[in-house]
Amino acid sequence: GAVVSQHPSRVICKSGTSVKIECRSLDFQATTMFWYRQFPKKSLMLMATSNEGSKATYEQGVEKDKFLINHASLTLSTLTVTSAHPEDSSFYICSAADRDTEAFFGQGTRLTVV
Amino acid sequence: QKEVEQNSGPLSVPEGAIASLNCTYSDRGSQSFFWYRQYSGKSPELIMFIYSNGDKEDGRFTAQLNKASQYVSLLIRDSQPSDSATYLCAVMSGGSNYKLTFGKGTLLTVNP
Repeated sequence: GAVVSQHPSRVICKSGTSVKIECRSLDFQATTMFWYRQFPKKSLMLMATSNEGSKATYEQGVEKDKFLINHASLTLSTLTVTSAHPEDSSFYICSAADRDTEAFFGQGTRLTVV
Repeated sequence: QKEVEQNSGPLSVPEGAIASLNCTYSDRGSQSFFWYRQYSGKSPELIMFIYSNGDKEDGRFTAQLNKASQYVSLLIRDSQPSDSATYLCAVMSGGSNYKLTFGKGTLLTVNP
């Protein structure tokens, strides 16, 4: 299947700082990227959908000013968790798709805010 | 509200047996259906997708879709301990935006 690379895989940050997570499609052009959050032993919760060159569409209850999403190119989307707090600690996963492929997931990022 | 329901399990089967995982969905407009496997602490990986009513086989895996009953299942033949994981059912609604709605997953344990 297609390769989606997510970086970093793990990050620990101090409360109040910001963290950027990158999601890259390595061998296809991702017209759409999705960002999910997953709590332990829970299913994936869609946070937002981003299309290249346009603003992300956030799901209800997700703070767009806290979770900044940029999809500047067909191969890169970033999620920035701003002013992180311990309750933001979670597993964040991106997935990428174009019109001719299924959505493939990145490896995920384990964020711990201390 | 579009929903995807799965039995959370755990589902335990002996090695070599057939594991049957089930999923129902509420949106009749759903067009595409996916099964993902997720190991603890890892990201989901795609196992199979199915678009049409009936069965689709890939190796030890068979996906079954019944749109009239709004039901999709995954059968794993000759289950192996390495198949032990959480299996997520995902449904894509009509349109081309690949937005998936996930079930909560079924934890499968294959006992040696």
